[in-house]
Amino acid sequence: GAVVSQHPSRVICKSGTSVKIECRSLDFQATTMFWYRQFPKKSLMLMATSNEGSKATYEQGVEKDKFLINHASLTLSTLTVTSAHPEDSSFYICSAIKGHTEAFFGQGTRLTVV
Amino acid sequence: AQTVTQSQPEMSVQEAETVTLSCTYDTSESDYYLFWYKQPPSRQMILVIRQEAYKQQNATENRFSVNFQKAAKSFSLKISDSQLGDAAMYFCAYRREDTASKLTFGTGTRLQVTL
Repeated sequence: GAVVSQHPSRVICKSGTSVKIECRSLDFQATTMFWYRQFPKKSLMLMATSNEGSKATYEQGVEKDKFLINHASLTLSTLTVTSAHPEDSSFYICSAIKGHTEAFFGQGTRLTVV
Repeated sequence: AQTVTQSQPEMSVQEAETVTLSCTYDTSESDYYLFWYKQPPSRQMILVIRQEAYKQQNATENRFSVNFQKAAKSFSLKISDSQLGDAAMYFCAYRREDTASKLTFGTGTRLQVTL
């Protein structure tokens, strides 16, 4: 099946710094990718839709200046958590749709802000 | 807006037995997709099964099958011959037909498999 690679899998950063998470579709082109956030024992909450070559579409309540999304190519989307704070600590997951129907997910990134 | 509801936060099944996980959804669309995803402790999301709304026949994938009732907006997952490796969080998800549409997830059901 298709592979979506997310990097890093774990990151610890100091409060006030920025962290970049990469999401790559390894064997297919993805004009649209999605970024989710998942709190412990909770469901996936969509943060934003990443569109290749254009601005991301953010869900209500998600700060676009806080969570910067760049989709510069058909195989790469990045999420940058700017000026991270402990409350940004979470599990972040990306996904990309291959073909018409199936979404493939990255392995997720566990972000801890200390 | 579309919503997906999973009313069973936790379920338990004995190994080799059968269990059914419930899911209901709400939409005004006529064409859409429904999915069941499995999230094991590794937290990697794995597609279990997919159903196209226009298909009347229920999807099956080996030990996994669904009961899709379009009029009732119900989409349950049946796991037969349960195995220890089936223990995980299971999420029901909905997506509109257009390619760029997002997935809407239910709150999940944690499945335990006992010996």
